[in-house]
Amino acid sequence: GAGVSQSPSNKVTEKGKDVELRCDPISGHTALYWYRQSLGQGLEFLIYFQGNSAPDKSGLPSDRFSAERTGGSVSTLTIQRTQQEDSAVYLCASSPSRGWETQYFGPGTRLLVL
Amino acid sequence: KQEVTQIPAALSVPEGENLVLNCSFTDSAIYNLQWFRQDPGKGLTSLLLIQSSQREQTSGRLNASLDKSSGRSTLYIAASQPGDSATYLCAAPIGAGNMLTFGGGTRLMVKP
Repeated sequence: GAGVSQSPSNKVTEKGKDVELRCDPISGHTALYWYRQSLGQGLEFLIYFQGNSAPDKSGLPSDRFSAERTGGSVSTLTIQRTQQEDSAVYLCASSPSRGWETQYFGPGTRLLVL
Repeated sequence: KQEVTQIPAALSVPEGENLVLNCSFTDSAIYNLQWFRQDPGKGLTSLLLIQSSQREQTSGRLNASLDKSSGRSTLYIAASQPGDSATYLCAAPIGAGNMLTFGGGTRLMVKP
């Protein structure tokens, strides 16, 4: 079956612009995660969804970052007023539930803020 | 707070060698530990997940072990091949939502 998909695969934007990153999880997966991978910080957790609610947003680095999930499926990560330090690869993962199961990752969105 | 460390950061071996990648974690109260592979410019591929009740998991030439008491996990790769060249990451869950804390990864190069 289809895996986790993310769009766009690459995004170049100017400092100060807003960007939206999209994640389509595996069908039927209730848990969805956003992570960020940058050269200086490695791979770090951003936010977790169970269904449409986000019980844990503790990883969001600032209030410029927000995310939503609709219909228990697609999720959008929005970064407002982008800064150069936001440049990173944003990875999305899903799992059937939160029951300590394998997380399946998408290919990521490579964001470059000029 | 869970901290995950991987040693070595990079490893270069000739084809055919057996090798061990190490992962250590600070909070032994984990529910599972997961090993991933990442190829350059790609996402993460799950290799093995070891539940806390298990001591090891095997998939083909890969074998992962988990020792919660010592806070360590190892990934054993038998008869390495050039196609095994990639970055290998281990991750332990934190919080009720199973969010993952990742190690820094081991970059493996297998030379023909």
